Amino acid sequence: ILNVEQSPQSLHVQEGDSTNFTCSFPSSNFYALHWYRWETAKSPEALFVMTLNGDEKKKGRISATLNTKEGYSYLYIKGSQPEDSATYLCARKYNFNKFYFGSGTKLNVKP
Amino acid sequence: DTEVTQTPKHLVMGMTNKKSLKCEQHMGHRAMYWYKQKAKKPPELMFVYSYEKLSINESVPSRFSPECPNSSLLNLHLHALQPEDSALYLCASSQDDDYEQYFGPGTRLTVT
Repeated sequence: ILNVEQSPQSLHVQEGDSTNFTCSFPSSNFYALHWYRWETAKSPEALFVMTLNGDEKKKGRISATLNTKEGYSYLYIKGSQPEDSATYLCARKYNFNKFYFGSGTKLNVKP
Repeated sequence: DTEVTQTPKHLVMGMTNKKSLKCEQHMGHRAMYWYKQKAKKPPELMFVYSYEKLSINESVPSRFSPECPNSSLLNLHLHALQPEDSALYLCASSQDDDYEQYFGPGTRLTVT
């Protein structure tokens, strides 16, 4: 019931490719969805906080959309660069401060 | 200063030891979190402090004892841990529960 699923588990792309991955979650009692980027040997870094159905957010070449009715969010990276290589995590907020994370999508961008 | 610091970076402890993990932030954030992450698994929420009060305990065994001495500090006291408690322990903070979380680099704990 509380599962947050991310797909694919890993992704290998060439520099310049555009890519996207999915976060799926139960749609009931939705509060918010967070996206984080976690580079090896660093701390997870927040990308987006999304709350409303139909939300679209953008930061540079990275953007995300949210569909709370069907329970999914997409993260898009346009023109991937090697520095985009990281694990991308989504986390669903249920109530108050409860967050459940997905297992992440590990992206490797080859030069 | 947008940094969350955690000490130590690595910790090896025996099952009879008592140790503490420390987390600090100076961003004026009012919510602080402890997560546990095992390899290839998602971070799992353990505890949440909101305005220095424990607001969430996700049924964590009593061998883990959180403490929030002030709004900038969060500790996790460890006692009589089991080898299966070996994991990466992440601390995070947020302005409030509607905002993004800022994570520390984590403490890699090994219980022998």
